[in-house]
Amino acid sequence: KAGVTQTPRYLIKTRGQQVTLSCSPISGHRSVSWYQQTPGQGLQFLFEYFSETQRNKGNFPGRFSGRQFSNSRSEMNVSTLELGDSALYLCASSLGRSATNEKLFFGSGTQLSVL
Amino acid sequence: QKEVEQDPGPLSVPEGAIVSLNCTYSNSAFQYFMWYRQYSRKGPELLMYTYSSGNKEDGRFTAQVDKSSKYISLFIRDSQPSDSATYLCAMIQGAQKLVFGQGTRLTINP
Repeated sequence: KAGVTQTPRYLIKTRGQQVTLSCSPISGHRSVSWYQQTPGQGLQFLFEYFSETQRNKGNFPGRFSGRQFSNSRSEMNVSTLELGDSALYLCASSLGRSATNEKLFFGSGTQLSVL
Repeated sequence: QKEVEQDPGPLSVPEGAIVSLNCTYSNSAFQYFMWYRQYSRKGPELLMYTYSSGNKEDGRFTAQVDKSSKYISLFIRDSQPSDSATYLCAMIQGAQKLVFGQGTRLTINP
């Protein structure tokens, strides 16, 4: 069974640009959550989707948005990029409704660098 | 103050040593406790999952939870170079809240 696939693996952008990251969950998994990982802050929760509906959102500005499609694939978008958005963005999928009560399977992440 | 505190290290030990990794937390409502391992340029993978005070063993790994002290530990026996990774603790409150520690970078030297 294929794992969680995130594309692209690496991305370099400049301040003010926008970026879209993609995540394909494990086949059959309906819940997808996104995390930002930085050396200083660790893993911080961005949002969680189940059946195309956002179920939970972390404390990030509105520049960070996401969506989930009918096939459970998910995208996240960051608009008006800032230097502080440089981070590893991780997607995790789980089988059930709530990612907090299920085993999470993480992708390898997208390393975003903002110059 | 962060809800979950974890020393980021780095921690370097010789092969074969017993490794002790720890997290403290301030939120007494946390019910479930996990340890994830993250290799360089990879996503975290779940190592251990516990929901009660006491010890849980899986091979060379032992997870320990002390709810009265709000303290959890992960012990690695007979450590191997392949155990070199970042170890993250994580805790769950209810159905909505999952909080990770900052992660401890561990290196096992041959």
